[in-house]
Amino acid sequence: SAVISQKPSRDICQRGTSLTIQCQVDSQVTMMFWYRQQPGQSLTLIATANQGSEATYESGFVIDKFPISRPNLTFSTLTVSNMSPEDSSIYLCSAEEGKETQYFGPGTRLLVL
Amino acid sequence: SQQGEEDPQALSIQEGENATMNCSYKTSINNLQWYRQNSGRGLVHLILIRSNEREKHSGRLRVTLDTSKKSSSLLITASRAADTASYFCATERKAAGNKLTFGGGTRVLVKP
Repeated sequence: SAVISQKPSRDICQRGTSLTIQCQVDSQVTMMFWYRQQPGQSLTLIATANQGSEATYESGFVIDKFPISRPNLTFSTLTVSNMSPEDSSIYLCSAEEGKETQYFGPGTRLLVL
Repeated sequence: SQQGEEDPQALSIQEGENATMNCSYKTSINNLQWYRQNSGRGLVHLILIRSNEREKHSGRLRVTLDTSKKSSSLLITASRAADTASYFCATERKAAGNKLTFGGGTRVLVKP
């Protein structure tokens, strides 16, 4: 199974600033995704990170707020821009292996003050 | 309501007992996957069951899928304190490509 790492594992940020989260997969994968998990909630898909083209965002999420890069088949970044306390969440990336199973990174726990 | 709803929301059992949680969904799926999450950390993939499968086993885990009722169940047998976690079902819908939609999760507490 794919092994996924994320950096940073956690951060505390001031409102109005931006944070870029990195996601690294140990093998080439076709599909990578970014999710948000608000405190005590389930996971919500933010976007699909497409290699070589713009990410595909889900309803309620926009590129200006959550710009995503996917420069190659093993790496992606998610930026949380102009943060507010409502952005405090766990952000998780995932990668799909074999067109079925999605494996997840350990998550980035973000607290915005 | 959302695709992938789970019940119960929380479950408390004694070590050695079995734990059963259920997941219901609304639209046709390619597969359904179960994940475990310990204390707000990353998700661990437990098992995937395809739409044409009815039951799968992995160690102490047993998953069933009833596409006519649009429901799945996860059974953990002979539970251990280390099984304490939140369990999520996630569906890959036929109309949504590879995207997963998660249920609300079941918080399981296994008391020693």
